[in-house]
Amino acid sequence: DAGVIQSPRHEVTEMGQEVTLRCKPISGHNSLFWYRQTMMRGLELLIYFNNNVPIDDSGMPEDRFSAKMPNASFSTLKIQPSEPRDSAVYFCASSPRQSYNEQFFGPGTRLTVL
Amino acid sequence: GNSVTQMEGPVTLSEEAFLTINCTYTATGYPSLFWYVQYPGEGLQLLLKATKADDKGSNKGFEATYRKETTSFHLEKGSVQVSDSAVYFCALSQNYGGSQGNLIFGKGTKLSVKP
Repeated sequence: DAGVIQSPRHEVTEMGQEVTLRCKPISGHNSLFWYRQTMMRGLELLIYFNNNVPIDDSGMPEDRFSAKMPNASFSTLKIQPSEPRDSAVYFCASSPRQSYNEQFFGPGTRLTVL
Repeated sequence: GNSVTQMEGPVTLSEEAFLTINCTYTATGYPSLFWYVQYPGEGLQLLLKATKADDKGSNKGFEATYRKETTSFHLEKGSVQVSDSAVYFCALSQNYGGSQGNLIFGKGTKLSVKP
């Protein structure tokens, strides 16, 4: 079975540009999580969805960040406009209903904002 | 609030050495506890877990015991290999309420094993 799929794997952009990160969770999983990982702050939960509905977005740093989950098989994390301090690795993870404590992580998107 | 504290790295060991990575937690109630591992360039993978006090999680030679009296979940391995070089994250999850399913991670401990 395919794991969590994220695209792109690497993104380099200039400050002020819009960035869209994509995630396809494991089929049948009903929870989806977006994380950001940096050396300084470690792993931070940005937002999570249950059954496509955003449950907690308190970790989203500011209004420049937005996330959507239009259906059970796709989610996006958008940054507009991007800033150099947004440079990080962004992970998507999904979790099945019967084992919601176990999260399956994608390979991550390494974002560099110049 | 809930939190996880794990020993800061990096930890450098020789092959076949004994490994301990300390992890303590603060939580209300009875959380589930996890160790995740992140190999270079990859996402996190679940290594082992324990869902109640005195449970022992084990996988790939790694073990950790849920100690409620000391609020700890220390990771151990008797003989590390070069292939164990990775970053290890301790995490907890509440089993009730609105935050059910959320993982709270420690900052990670980088392990390097030399041949």
